[in-house]
Amino acid sequence: EVQLVQSGAEVKKPGESLKISCKGSGYSFTSYWIGWVRQMPGKGLEWMGIIYPGDSDTRYSPSFQGQVTISVDKSISTAYLQWSSLKASDTAMYYCVRQSIAAQYFDYWGQGILVTVSS
Amino acid sequence: DIQMTQSPSSVSASVGDRVTITCRASQDISIWLAWYQQKPGKAPKLLIYSASSLQSGVPSRFSGSGSGTDFTLTISSLQPEDFATYYCQQTNRFPTFGQGTRLEIQ
Repeated sequence: EVQLVQSGAEVKKPGESLKISCKGSGYSFTSYWIGWVRQMPGKGLEWMGIIYPGDSDTRYSPSFQGQVTISVDKSISTAYLQWSSLKASDTAMYYCVRQSIAAQYFDYWGQGILVTVSS
Repeated sequence: DIQMTQSPSSVSASVGDRVTITCRASQDISIWLAWYQQKPGKAPKLLIYSASSLQSGVPSRFSGSGSGTDFTLTISSLQPEDFATYYCQQTNRFPTFGQGTRLEIQ
C-alpha cells in the first residue's frame, strides 16, 4: 500500500527555522517526484515545488522560490520542506504529494502537517 | 502562470441530484487537467486525471470532460458522502489549482 506519512504539527515563533518531513512507503521512492502543497486557513491549494528523489532535481513555484527549501534523503525514503526564518503568513497546512509518472497530477497525498507561526 | 477559474464557487444540491462544476484555464492546456475532492479536515483525493480518466476506486457517478480551456466535472447522482469541496488542477506546466467549489447540502 502506498503511503506518505508526514511528521507532526508544529508551533513556532516568527524568525525560527523549521524542517518538516514526509516518509514514503509501499512503492519505489526514487522513481516518483514528491511535491509540497500549501493550504492556508480556509483557503485553496497552492503548489510549492517538487523534487525527484532519484537525483534530487528540484523545481519551485515562482511564488515560493527563495522562501523554502525542498530536499530529500533517499536512504530513508523521506522528503523535507524547510524554512530558515518563519513568518506569521507561513501558518498553513502543508501536504506532501506523490506525482504520477504519467503527468503532473498527484495520486497520493500525505495526511498534512499544520504549521502555526505565532509570537 | 496558467490561471484556473472554477464556477460556481459554491452550489447547493440534494441527494440524487446531478451536479456539474466548470473549470476554465487561461490558456490551452489540452487534456492536462485533474479534479480533486477535499472533505473538511482531510487531504484532497484524486478523482479524475487527464480530463476524463477515472482514478482507480472512484465511483463511476463521477465523470470529467473537456479539452483546451474548458472542462467539467459531473456527479450524476449525488450521494451524502459527496458533499465536499472540489478543485481542478492544470498539469500542463507548473501546476496550479482552481479556487475550489464548495458543494453543500440543500
